Amino acid sequence: KQEVTQIPAALSVPEGENLVLNCSFTDSAIYNLQWFRQDPGKGLTSLLLIQSSQREQTSGRLNASLDKSSGRSTLYIAASQPGDSATYLCAVSGGAQKLVFGQGTRLTINP
Amino acid sequence: DVKVTQSSRYLVKRTGEKVFLECVQDMDHENMFWYRQDPGLGLRLIYFSYDVKMKEKGDIPEGYSVSREKKERFSLILESASTNQTSMYLCASSPGGGDEQYFGPGTRLTVT
Repeated sequence: KQEVTQIPAALSVPEGENLVLNCSFTDSAIYNLQWFRQDPGKGLTSLLLIQSSQREQTSGRLNASLDKSSGRSTLYIAASQPGDSATYLCAVSGGAQKLVFGQGTRLTINP
Repeated sequence: DVKVTQSSRYLVKRTGEKVFLECVQDMDHENMFWYRQDPGLGLRLIYFSYDVKMKEKGDIPEGYSVSREKKERFSLILESASTNQTSMYLCASSPGGGDEQYFGPGTRLTVT
């Protein structure tokens, strides 16, 4: 059974810092990996999707990498801003339909 | 932009009531999903549908049923609501198998 772990559970950094969020998964036979952002009380916003054949994806200040063989993904956020404060979730798709989610990392950017 | 809408942001129901949660997507997506999100347990898949009138159980289908009569609409039904179904319910859709999933704003359901 696929398990997804995100460490740390919470992270607080000063504005302007570059930071890395980590995601690990137990079964390397994944179809894709998706990173989401969730603001308090809201739904999920898709940030980046990495197909299993890809190594990384970039969108603006965000860069996500995928190492399937080691069961790891990282989300790199450059030049962090207070508006980046949110919970970040990673999820893996092991088959055609189902996503398995990590517990998330709650990120706080201090002005 | 893909838009996934859910019928209510907040809902309060009594134990034993029949509850309908509605989800609509406007991008002609094949797949639709219902999740619930609970502190400490994360997001868990309840049911999903890959075509009209087709459905498959997710990880926690007990106490729930679903209906998909039209491609754009996917309903989650709580036949007899119980307090342990108090949760945030999130609907999602995707174009096809393994594609990016797009989420709605969520419905926070409280069963008293």
